[in-house]
Amino acid sequence: KQEVTQIPAALSVPEGENLVLNCSFTDSAIYNLQWFRQDPGKGLTSLLLIQSSQREQTSGRLNASLDKSSGRSTLYIAASQPGDSATYLCAVRNSGNTPLVFGKGTRLSVIA
Amino acid sequence: KAGVTQTPRYLIKTRGQQVTLSCSPISGHRSVSWYQQTPGQGLQFLFEYFSETQRNKGNFPGRFSGRQFSNSRSEMNVSTLELGDSALYLCASSLEAGVGTQYFGPGTRLLVL
Repeated sequence: KQEVTQIPAALSVPEGENLVLNCSFTDSAIYNLQWFRQDPGKGLTSLLLIQSSQREQTSGRLNASLDKSSGRSTLYIAASQPGDSATYLCAVRNSGNTPLVFGKGTRLSVIA
Repeated sequence: KAGVTQTPRYLIKTRGQQVTLSCSPISGHRSVSWYQQTPGQGLQFLFEYFSETQRNKGNFPGRFSGRQFSNSRSEMNVSTLELGDSALYLCASSLEAGVGTQYFGPGTRLLVL
């Protein structure tokens, strides 16, 4: 059974800092991995999708990497801003026939 | 293009009642998934529909059910509500089942008293 872990559960950084959020998964035979952002009381916003054959994806100040062999993904946020404050969730799909399995997220606070 | 919409946004019910939540996917999307989010358990998968057929079901009791219509809109129903059903219920859509990006709606917050 796939399990997804995100550590730390919460993180507070000063504005402008570069930071890395971590995601680990127990079953390395994944189909794809997706990073989401959730603002308080809101739905999820998709940030990046990495297929199993890819090593990384980039969008603006965000870069997500995938290392299947070690069961890890990282989300790198460059030059953090207060508007980046949110909970970041990682989700893994093992095959096209299985649902996404989510981690519990990392709550990020960027202090101005 | 309009995003995923969910109605109602907020609901208050009492134990023993039943509730129906609605989800309209992004135009052209044929797959709809439902999730329950609670502070303790995080996001848990409920079910996934594609072309009016349930493809996957999560580990929830039979009180939780759903369906999808020919226009891809989906509903989920919870019967005999319990206090523990209080949660944010999220719907997500994608073009096809099991592939590509899932786009989430704003959720329906259900409070069971």
